[in-house]
Amino acid sequence: AQSVTQPDIHITVSEGASLELRCNYSYGATPYLFWYVQSPGQGLQLLLKYFSGDTLVQGIKGFEAEFKRSQSSFNLRKPSVHWSDAAEYFCAVVPRYNQGGKLIFGQGTELSVKP
Amino acid sequence: EAQVTQNPRYLITVTGKKLTVTCSQNMNHEYMSWYRQDPGLGLRQIYYSMNVEVTDKGDVPEGYKVSRKEKRNFPLILESPSPNQTSLYFCASSLSMGLTEAFFGQGTRLTVV
Repeated sequence: AQSVTQPDIHITVSEGASLELRCNYSYGATPYLFWYVQSPGQGLQLLLKYFSGDTLVQGIKGFEAEFKRSQSSFNLRKPSVHWSDAAEYFCAVVPRYNQGGKLIFGQGTELSVKP
Repeated sequence: EAQVTQNPRYLITVTGKKLTVTCSQNMNHEYMSWYRQDPGLGLRQIYYSMNVEVTDKGDVPEGYKVSRKEKRNFPLILESPSPNQTSLYFCASSLSMGLTEAFFGQGTRLTVV
């Protein structure tokens, strides 16, 4: 079945440590890929997106993500986490042949940051 | 400032009492949609609209209605709310379908008792 999976429901990292949030997808053709962040009490904000080309994409707030076709993955990374990064992170896709242009979200990963 | 505005932010209502959640965007976007967010399920699309007077069902449309009479507004209507519609709702807009950045409202937390 077509799906977007974020294997980690909750991750805790220490401030200053590196971060990697996992995202796997299952679609026949590589979908368009997105990462969104939801800060407490806020709507979602786009961090970065991948359509084609360079497999390492840079986003806002110091985040980057790497597309790996062989692993059907699009993992989000940050070299050094700040306390303000505590939030929920959603991987999302738009299937290439979806006429509705619908964003399909993973279950989300909640990030906690220890002082 | 570019924004999507939802109202109300919080709502507690009783089963069967019709309600409307409003959504307005000031970016002249053609594409608007409604999502509900439930723990462990991420966001699921309820309805979407590709332009004025053009709406279609998303993944979980049962129990909801929408209308798009003006480009900027996309209200979500619950004709007869039930407790299983207790959720966090988000409105989103984008320039076109899917491939441009979606801008989200701050959310409406609805409780149906």
